[in-house]
Amino acid sequence: GNSVTQMEGPVTLSEEAFLTINCTYTATGYPSLFWYVQYPGEGLQLLLKATKADDKGSNKGFEATYRKETTSFHLEKGSVQVSDSAVYFCALSPLQAGGTSYGKLTFGQGTILTVHP
Amino acid sequence: NAGVTQTPKFQVLKTGQSMTLQCAQDMNHEYMSWYRQDPGMGLRLIHYSVGAGITDQGEVPNGYNVSRSTTEDFPLRLLSAAPSQTSVYFCASSYANMNTEAFFGQGTRLTVV
Repeated sequence: GNSVTQMEGPVTLSEEAFLTINCTYTATGYPSLFWYVQYPGEGLQLLLKATKADDKGSNKGFEATYRKETTSFHLEKGSVQVSDSAVYFCALSPLQAGGTSYGKLTFGQGTILTVHP
Repeated sequence: NAGVTQTPKFQVLKTGQSMTLQCAQDMNHEYMSWYRQDPGMGLRLIHYSVGAGITDQGEVPNGYNVSRSTTEDFPLRLLSAAPSQTSVYFCASSYANMNTEAFFGQGTRLTVV
């Protein structure tokens, strides 16, 4: 079946530090890959996505590259801010018969990021 | 636009009680789904729907029912609440395309005592 594994958290960084959150996946075919972010007390919102091998998704200074050879989609940011403190989820949307996903997402366990001033 | 609206935001139930979590979206999305979020386990799919009148089970469907009579609404019913159903529940919707993002509601925090 499909699965997503994220690095263990929580992660605590000082402002302006470099961030990496590892994500690896198992899936058949060519899934789409996503990073979602959840700020305290809110629902999830899309941070970035990549839909095919070697695609790079980017948004708000965050980047992730779809690596099919290593089945990975690691999230990086060069200089984090206090406002980046949140829970980050890696997720995949599998390709089902008929070329759709039916809206079904498989999530990793989430990584709590805390950034101190 | 309101996006995805969930009600209530918080709920406390006694074991054995039933209730319905409401979810509505105003984006004319074909796909809707329900997830539960538990510490250290990410989000797990409970039920999903690909259109009005069509629903199917996800990874953890036991103890929950759904129906989709309209495109906009996708309620989740707890038939007989158990402490193991204490969780945060999220409703999501998206267009019928595997590459499109899902939009999430703000969540319902449910405690079963």
